[in-house]
Amino acid sequence: QVQLVQSGAEVKKPGASVKVSCKASGYTFTGYYLHWVRQAPGQGLEWLGWINPYSGGTNYAQKFHDRVTMTRDTSSSTAYMDLTRLTSDDTAMYYCARGAGSTGWYPFDYWGQGTLVTVSS
Amino acid sequence: QSVLTQPPSASGTPGQRVTISCSGSSSNIESNNVNWYRQLPGPAPKLLIYSNNHRPSGVPDRFSGSKSGTSASLAISGLQSEDEADYYCAAWDDSLDGWVFGGGTKLTVL
Repeated sequence: QVQLVQSGAEVKKPGASVKVSCKASGYTFTGYYLHWVRQAPGQGLEWLGWINPYSGGTNYAQKFHDRVTMTRDTSSSTAYMDLTRLTSDDTAMYYCARGAGSTGWYPFDYWGQGTLVTVSS
Repeated sequence: QSVLTQPPSASGTPGQRVTISCSGSSSNIESNNVNWYRQLPGPAPKLLIYSNNHRPSGVPDRFSGSKSGTSASLAISGLQSEDEADYYCAAWDDSLDGWVFGGGTKLTVL
């Protein structure tokens, strides 16, 4: 069965960086795009970008393009999301989600359990 | 502010039919497919409707989606207490070159 297992909760200080991992299993990792979506406490969903695990190609949301980096390790079927220059506004649950096909325009059919990132001094 | 506009709340009684609207623009809903996600308290969102009106395997036919112009709707018939959740619409936006979501609608079953 398809599973996306994310790394554990993080507490960071303002100005720091955070790296969240998402380990995929139960399917061909390089065959499906992976997206990152976040949800601030009590708020809605916000897309950060996608990575094509086959090529490593990325597409970042304009709001985050200068602070986010998405990478992958095909040998371990793991994707990573690195967010820099953190502020309190970045406190949120971060999810990885699989796109249901081989481009970035498919819906998100499986989601990780989420990683809570708290930014506090 | 979310790019797609949803009512913040909706409610209905058991057995009733409720609809949740999602309003966008020519760069997102009008020109691309709409997907709907459901989020129960706590867990991650789950895909409920894709490509405007298709249900993934396992989603009951009580859930249906539609799209017209720059708006989309999610309908839930035969409302059940377990349908209490937050519902989000999403679409690709050609101008922003990214996925956009609605702000979410909290459905309460009275």
